[in-house]
Amino acid sequence: DQQVKQNSPSLSVQEGRISILNCDYTNSMFDYFLWYKKYPAEGPTFLISISSIKDKNEDGRFTVFLNKSAKHLSLHIVPSQPGDSAVYFCAASAWQAGTALIFGKGTTLSVSS
Amino acid sequence: DTGVSQNPRHKITKRGQNVTFRCDPISEHNRLYWYRQTLGQGPEFLTYFQNEAQLEKSRLLSDRFSAERPKGSFSTLEIQRTEQGDSAMYLCASSRLAGGHGTDTQYFGPGTRLTVL
Repeated sequence: DQQVKQNSPSLSVQEGRISILNCDYTNSMFDYFLWYKKYPAEGPTFLISISSIKDKNEDGRFTVFLNKSAKHLSLHIVPSQPGDSAVYFCAASAWQAGTALIFGKGTTLSVSS
Repeated sequence: DTGVSQNPRHKITKRGQNVTFRCDPISEHNRLYWYRQTLGQGPEFLTYFQNEAQLEKSRLLSDRFSAERPKGSFSTLEIQRTEQGDSAMYLCASSRLAGGHGTDTQYFGPGTRLTVL
């Protein structure tokens, strides 16, 4: 069973508009959430994270929102740029269970100019 | 400030052969992780070291897999008697535990792509 789900395999957005990538999780023990971006033939690059004690974290064009009651988080990219086109992975970990990150299957974002 | 490096970047081998991959973490990172990623999936955790101690192993890590981190610096992942199902991207990540909290940000290397013929 998948503990971290990214239900949209792909998303297409125009340059300058907002991109919203969604992630749902099932394990209530998760207390730390991260977003990674991955280009083909490269390793995942860390983007932004959020602890379960917060509901929002912002870094430049990237904002992550966490809704613990719904077990849902989202990544907002504003404004979207063509260089943002990549696969985005949501990941979660639970301190009590160890340090392994549990990843979703990813969402491919395409930003057109 | 160099990131996580992995060698080789690509490895093609025949079924039944042994292969070894190397990971050099970010300097002063005391934690090192190995993950495996197959097409259409997110990375899956294999094992984790804190300094030289291997503290966690996934059920994915069969007896044919072994990982070491001598002296708490670089790490090696060896796969013995490779099978076609071992074909995947093998990713290494490192982190530095901060603030006494058990979770921390993991930074990934470029990966080693293994193809077993």
